[in-house]
Order: sequence, then structure tokens, then C-alpha cells
Amino acid sequence: GESVGLHLPTLSVQEGDNSIINCAYSNSASDYFIWYKQESGKGPQFIIDIRSNMDKRQGQRVTVLLNKTVKHLSLQIAATQPGDSAVYFCAENMKDTGRRALTFGSGTRLQVQP
Amino acid sequence: ETGVTQTPRHLVMGMTNKKSLKCEQHLGHNAMYWYKQSAKKPLELMFVYSLEERVENNSVPSRFSPECPNSSHLFLHLHTLQPEDSALYLCASSQEGSQNTEAFFGQGTRLTVV
Repeated sequence: GESVGLHLPTLSVQEGDNSIINCAYSNSASDYFIWYKQESGKGPQFIIDIRSNMDKRQGQRVTVLLNKTVKHLSLQIAATQPGDSAVYFCAENMKDTGRRALTFGSGTRLQVQP
Repeated sequence: ETGVTQTPRHLVMGMTNKKSLKCEQHLGHNAMYWYKQSAKKPLELMFVYSLEERVENNSVPSRFSPECPNSSHLFLHLHTLQPEDSALYLCASSQEGSQNTEAFFGQGTRLTVV
């Protein structure tokens, strides 16, 4: 079936470095993508989203890149901080399929070393 | 404060018990969801309610029974669960019909079946 998947389960970076978390999706009909952050003991929190008519979107210290040709999504975090340590999920939705809920990838754990 | 509140935060129950998980959203959304999050697995969609009507049921066993009495409240009634049902159960809400369909999550209920 269609799926959104993360292939790198753990990413370890030094504080102050930039982090890049990747996500591959398989459904070319997906048109809306979201990155969520989940800290220990908490529910997922929205970070940033992007629609398929865009290839880049920036937020505060975060940038999402979308490459529809290879069906790849990435989250870049600038100047990574200890508070960024969490599990990051990508999620997708498909317009006009009658499906309302998001499909989530398996997650990448980001560990920030002080 | 995420706007979506789940109770209880932790629950331990025996396989013959009956318990209920509660979710309340204060965001004025018209759709609510139950997700299951197990260790090392993507978030699994269980149920979707839109305007208080169940619109999606992803082959969830009948020992899980959802209820949506109004657009702000969602319950998950549990009966005769198995140890493999131990997981984090997440409730989410979103606004259907809007351009973006990002979901807002509660903190989750950590369920342990003994």
C-alpha cells in the first residue's frame, strides 16, 4: 500500500550544528506534507508544513524541502539546540481522495550532544 | 497547552477490565481521530470522526469501541484487551474543509494491559 517512511532511525548531532532529517514517500498523489516533533511523554507537535505546489518553505530555524521528482521530503534545523532532541515524523495527506487523516512515517530520533 | 486534552495520562488494566479513554478538544474543530503508537511503529490510524459521524475505521478489533457524543469530545471504550494492545493512544483533531489539514494532538494515554 501507499506509505510514508523514514529510513534513518537515529541522528546524532552536536549542539550548534545543522540537522537534516529525511523522509521518502511513495504516493505521487500526496499534496500536503507536515513535519511533527514528538518529545518524550508528549503528543506530536506541528512544526512546519508544505504543499505540493512549493519546493521550499522556511520557518523559524526550520526549513522543509520537497522534491516531488524523487518523492523526498527533508527537514533542516539550523543551529540545533538540546531542546530539539525528539522524534521527528513526516506525515502526508492526499487531496480529493475522501481520506481525511494523515499518514505518518516511522520517525527519526534526533539526539543533540552538548 | 495543545488545545487537545486526554485523560487519563496513564492507565493499567487487566485483560478482563472495561475502561474508557477520554479526549476533549477546545479548538472548535469538526474532525477527531484516534491513533495508536507502539514502540518502533508508525502512528496507526484507528478511527476518524467527522461532524460526530464515524467515517473511517481501519480494521480495528471490536474490543476497541469509539464514541463521539459531540464535536468536542471523543471516547475510546476498551474491553477484553490483550497485552499487545499496550501502547500510547493519541487523540487528534483538525478542521475539515480548510486548506490545510494539520492535526493537533493531545498528550496521549499510556495504556498497559497486564
